[in-house]
Amino acid sequence: DTGVSQDPRHKITKRGQNVTFRCDPISEHNRLYWYRQTLGQGPEFLTYFQNEAQLEKSRLLSDRFSAERPKGSFSTLEIQRTEQGDSAMYLCASSLDATRGYGYTFGSGTRLTVV
Amino acid sequence: TQLLEQSPQFLSIQEGENLTVYCNSSSVFSSLQWYRQEPGEGPVLLVTVVTGGEVKKLKRLTFQFGDARKDSSLHITAAQPGDTGLYLCAVFVTSGSRLTFGEGTQLTVNP
Repeated sequence: DTGVSQDPRHKITKRGQNVTFRCDPISEHNRLYWYRQTLGQGPEFLTYFQNEAQLEKSRLLSDRFSAERPKGSFSTLEIQRTEQGDSAMYLCASSLDATRGYGYTFGSGTRLTVV
Repeated sequence: TQLLEQSPQFLSIQEGENLTVYCNSSSVFSSLQWYRQEPGEGPVLLVTVVTGGEVKKLKRLTFQFGDARKDSSLHITAAQPGDTGLYLCAVFVTSGSRLTFGEGTQLTVNP
């Protein structure tokens, strides 16, 4: 297993465009998480899945953001009508059952720049 | 207010020096995790501490969980340039939920 993969690594888009990011988790992990991180700050929670079910979505997440995890495998995060404030690193992580407090394995992230 | 307060926010030291960074909260947690993040990469798990007063060592890194399980510290002995990175603490606010991260300590070790 090569760990958590995210694609693309970098994305530059014009304001108002839609973007979609993909995350492929570690195959044995049933939980998948999306976080957003701005420079020098800690990761900020966006949403997470257990298998194909989306269990929680941050109140900070506007309706322009949507995430899916069809069949409980890979996940996509879509941002519609991007704004300059959406510029950030988008991190995906996966883990085993969190009731035992397992740590996360993160991908390398997708760096989004909205111009 | 932040659930987890990390201090200092920035730390720049010379190679060979010792340092300690802190993660504090007014809440009690069942466990706490430390991650290190290098520029352009995702965070990497360093350690999980579970028991109040627990001390774990990872080579030159020593992690301690407070007796009351509200705070934690990370001590690095004889820092090296390869220790440079953003050090993050994180907790599960409720069992079975997801991690909440602190804002991190940005450490720079100069050769």
